[in-house]
Amino acid sequence: SQELEQSPQSLIVQEGKNLTINCTSSKTLYGLYWYKQKYGEGLIFLMMLQKGGEEKSHEKITAKLDEKKQQSSLHITASQPSHAGIYLCGADGSNTGKLIFGQGTTLQVKP
Amino acid sequence: KAGVTQTPRYLIKTRGQQVTLSCSPISGHRSVSWYQQTPGQGLQFLFEYFSETQRNKGNFPGRFSGRQFSNSRSEMNVSTLELGDSALYLCASSFGTGIIEQFFGPGTRLTVL
Repeated sequence: SQELEQSPQSLIVQEGKNLTINCTSSKTLYGLYWYKQKYGEGLIFLMMLQKGGEEKSHEKITAKLDEKKQQSSLHITASQPSHAGIYLCGADGSNTGKLIFGQGTTLQVKP
Repeated sequence: KAGVTQTPRYLIKTRGQQVTLSCSPISGHRSVSWYQQTPGQGLQFLFEYFSETQRNKGNFPGRFSGRQFSNSRSEMNVSTLELGDSALYLCASSFGTGIIEQFFGPGTRLTVL
């Protein structure tokens, strides 16, 4: 079965610093989703990537899907305290809409 | 446009009881998926409904069931609750099925005592 591995598991950065979170799949991805979650709350949709080499940006967050569609990265530029939370990558490995998720990356941003 | 709503937000039950959770998708969305989130197992897919039909099912026992109504609202039911069913239950809605943006609700926090 498909598995997603996120790295790092946790991250503490100083406000204003850039950071990258990675998501690696054991199989080719049909779709890769990035979500943000505040502890105990629902998931906030960030971006969805489908095509190999695709890159999307929203405000200071950029996500990329590699050409082989087995790895994605989420990059935050000039981090702010509002970026703190748990970042989850989810993937559809069977083109059915059924998502599997990585274990999450907890981000803390120190003012 | 209103987002995905889930009711109730918090629930406390005892072992052996049953529980019903509700999810109202974004207006116009016809697909609803349910997920269970626990600290140990993370986010796990339960099932997906589209146009009142279950399209996909995860690896959960038969105590977990769901349904979808003609207005796309969905309910999930857990019978004979066990302590391990304590979790955050999240539903996600999308316009259709397959590789498409899925939007999550705030979740229902279920505690089983």
